[in-house]
Amino acid sequence: AQSVSQHNHHVILSEAASLELGCNYSYGGTVNLFWYVQYPGQHLQLLLKYFSGDPLVKGIKGFEAEFIKSKFSFNLRKPSVQWSDTAEYFCAVISNNAGNMLTFGGGTRLMVKP
Amino acid sequence: EPEVTQTPSHQVTQMGQEVILRCVPISNHLYFYWYRQILGQKVEFLVSFYNNEISEKSEIFDDQFSVERPDGSNFTLKIRSTKLEDSAMYFCASHMPATGGSYTFGSGTRLTVV
Repeated sequence: AQSVSQHNHHVILSEAASLELGCNYSYGGTVNLFWYVQYPGQHLQLLLKYFSGDPLVKGIKGFEAEFIKSKFSFNLRKPSVQWSDTAEYFCAVISNNAGNMLTFGGGTRLMVKP
Repeated sequence: EPEVTQTPSHQVTQMGQEVILRCVPISNHLYFYWYRQILGQKVEFLVSFYNNEISEKSEIFDDQFSVERPDGSNFTLKIRSTKLEDSAMYFCASHMPATGGSYTFGSGTRLTVV
């Protein structure tokens, strides 16, 4: 079945630590990939997206993600996290094999300790 | 920046009552969606709407649910007879593939069924 997997459910880091959140998908065909962030009590906000071209995409707030097609992965990274990055992070995929539907991973809850 | 607007932000209803959640998508978008997020769980797709009809729906979207675009601006989700397990955050999103494919989400309606 087509799915989006985020293997880290909870991550706790200290400020200035580096972050990498994993995302794997099982869709075939052409994919568009996204990372969304949900700060406590707020709605989903787009961090970054990949459609084509350079597989290393840069988003807002110093986040970046790398699309590795051979690994069906789109991991999110940030070299140095801040307390304000505490949030839940969702990977999401649109595949041309699955209509126009955005499918989310289960989310990773990040807590950054000051 | 254009926004997707949802009202109300919080609705409390008694089990068995009907609720209507309202959304105003971005004006030039053509695809509209409802997602829900039960507390502590992943964001789940409910339904997509295009050209004044449902284009896809999930297993969650049973006969108790319906969507409508009653005029040129509003997009509503109706739950006919609410159940306790309908308690969740409901997100509306709109999408215009020509603008790069990312969905814009509203701030959500927190539905509490008591």
